[in-house]
Amino acid sequence: DQQVKQNSPSLSVQEGRISILNCDYTNSMFDYFLWYKKYPAEGPTFLISISSIKDKNEDGRFTVFLNKSAKHLSLHIVPSQPGDSAVYFCAASEEGQNFVFGPGTRLSVLP
Amino acid sequence: GAGVSQTPSNKVTEKGKYVELRCDPISGHTALYWYRQSLGQGPEFLIYFQGTGAADDSGLPNDRFFAVRPEGSVSTLKIQRTERGDSAVYLCASSSRGPASSYGYTFGSGTRLTVV
Repeated sequence: DQQVKQNSPSLSVQEGRISILNCDYTNSMFDYFLWYKKYPAEGPTFLISISSIKDKNEDGRFTVFLNKSAKHLSLHIVPSQPGDSAVYFCAASEEGQNFVFGPGTRLSVLP
Repeated sequence: GAGVSQTPSNKVTEKGKYVELRCDPISGHTALYWYRQSLGQGPEFLIYFQGTGAADDSGLPNDRFFAVRPEGSVSTLKIQRTERGDSAVYLCASSSRGPASSYGYTFGSGTRLTVV
């Protein structure tokens, strides 16, 4: 029973365009959400976070949107660059608990 | 070092053998986590240490898995009587805060364990 879902295993986007990665969760008690990026043979790298008191958080080219009523969040990357090609994991936690990760989406940014 | 260090980077062992995986967290990070990532899956929580004590070991799959952090820094994940299903990348992470931190964790590169 997956509490955090990333229904698109892969996504291809042209360089310079917007990448939108989606994540859905089932546990309404989740109140912290993170996105991680992972390159091959490396550990996941923290990218951006959002808490449930916000609906948007922006950091440079990366913006995360949270829709609590839909139990949905998304990561927008604009403009996309070839170096953004990686696997992106969504993670969620309930206060005081450890993070639950989704299965990941492989993003390929084509030059 | 500046990051989380995990050794070995790769480990191949025979079914039924005992293995130890080591994690050296970022200096000063009191919280340490072990996760396991199987092929095509996201990281799955195993155990969390706050200092020397295991604050949450609810993710350990069975009693063949055990982890220690005797001095509050380096941690060792121990797997007894390994099975082929234990094959995965074992990730260690550390942070200066506890779980559910909006600052996230810093992960190591992982140990790829293959049980043959």
